[in-house]
Amino acid sequence: GDSVTQMEGPVTLSEEAFLTINCTYTATGYPSLFWYVQYPGEGLQLLLKATKADDKGSNKGFEATYRKETTSFHLEKGSVQVSDSAVYFCALSDPFSGSARQLTFGSGTQLTVLP
Amino acid sequence: NAGVTQTPKFQVLKTGQSMTLQCAQDMNHEYMSWYRQDPGMGLRLIHYSVGAGITDQGEVPNGYNVSRSTTEDFPLRLLSAAPSQTSVYFCASSSRDSNYGYTFGSGTRLTVV
Repeated sequence: GDSVTQMEGPVTLSEEAFLTINCTYTATGYPSLFWYVQYPGEGLQLLLKATKADDKGSNKGFEATYRKETTSFHLEKGSVQVSDSAVYFCALSDPFSGSARQLTFGSGTQLTVLP
Repeated sequence: NAGVTQTPKFQVLKTGQSMTLQCAQDMNHEYMSWYRQDPGMGLRLIHYSVGAGITDQGEVPNGYNVSRSTTEDFPLRLLSAAPSQTSVYFCASSSRDSNYGYTFGSGTRLTVV
């Protein structure tokens, strides 16, 4: 079945540091890929997405590129801020799976940015 | 526009009790889902629906029931609560044509003692 593996946390960075959170996936077909962010006490918010190979999703300074050859969708940001502290989830949606486009999530990576 | 509304936000149950977690969306979304979030395990799909009157099981359906009598509402029922169902529950919805962008509710934190 489909699965998502993402970088174990927690990750602690200083403000303005470079961020990478690794994400790799296994899927039957050609999934769409997502990064969601969860701030403390809140639900998940869609951060960015990519629906086909070589697409780059971007939002709020975050970027991720859909790499079919390495089955990866790593999240990057050039300069993190304290306000970026949150839990980040990589997810996929596989139209060829048995669950009609539902999301399969990685385990989440806790990011803490120190001033 | 309220989005996805979940109630209650917090709940404590005794083992064996039953309850219903409510989820409502006002975006006319066809797709709705329930997930549970446990430490170190991400979110796991419990049940989902692709339209009114249509539901199906996800990865971890045991101990839960759902129904979808209207487009707006998708309640999750715990039949006989167990400590293993202590978790944070999220409801999500999506338009069929939204290219998979799900909107999540703010969650229900359930503790079973």
